[in-house]
Amino acid sequence: GAGVSQSPSNKVTEKGKDVELRCDPISGHTALYWYRQSLGQGLEFLIYFQGNSAPDKSGLPSDRFSAERTGGSVSTLTIQRTQQEDSAVYLCASSQGQQETQYFGPGTRLLVL
Amino acid sequence: QKEVEQDPGPLSVPEGAIVSLNCTYSNSAFQYFMWYRQYSRKGPELLMYTYSSGNKEDGRFTAQVDKSSKYISLFIRDSQPSDSATYLCAMRGARGNAGKSTFGDGTTLTVKP
Repeated sequence: GAGVSQSPSNKVTEKGKDVELRCDPISGHTALYWYRQSLGQGLEFLIYFQGNSAPDKSGLPSDRFSAERTGGSVSTLTIQRTQQEDSAVYLCASSQGQQETQYFGPGTRLLVL
Repeated sequence: QKEVEQDPGPLSVPEGAIVSLNCTYSNSAFQYFMWYRQYSRKGPELLMYTYSSGNKEDGRFTAQVDKSSKYISLFIRDSQPSDSATYLCAMRGARGNAGKSTFGDGTTLTVKP
């Protein structure tokens, strides 16, 4: 079956612009996670959703970052007024429940010039 | 100090060698331990998932957990060039502590033919 998909696969933007990153989880998966991976680094947790609610937003780096999930499915991560330090790969994962195996998408590579 | 420390590598071995990848952690609340494999420009792929201390084997891969020492390892036997990738350890707490995982920074492995 289809895995986790993310779009766009690559995004180049200018400092100060807003960007939206999209994640389509595996059908039926109730939990959805956003992580950020900087060059040569491990994954940094950003936020997780159980259904449409986000019980844990502790990883969002600043108030420029926000995320929503609608219909228990698609999620959008929005970065406002992008900065060069926001450049990274943004990975989305989904799982059947919050303690189940997480399946990752291919990521969105964001470059802020 | 990071909660999860992973041997940084990079690691280069000849084909057929036994590979040992290691992580240590400081948070005694971690109870679930995972190893992910990440190929270049791809999302992480779950390789092994363990809960208790001891060994778990799957084909050429063996995951070892020592909770008393807060140390986990992944062994790869008869390594192949196709094993060349970045390996990430990850761990998370018990049910009720949310599903987010804490990752190591990854070890890049190259298996030379």
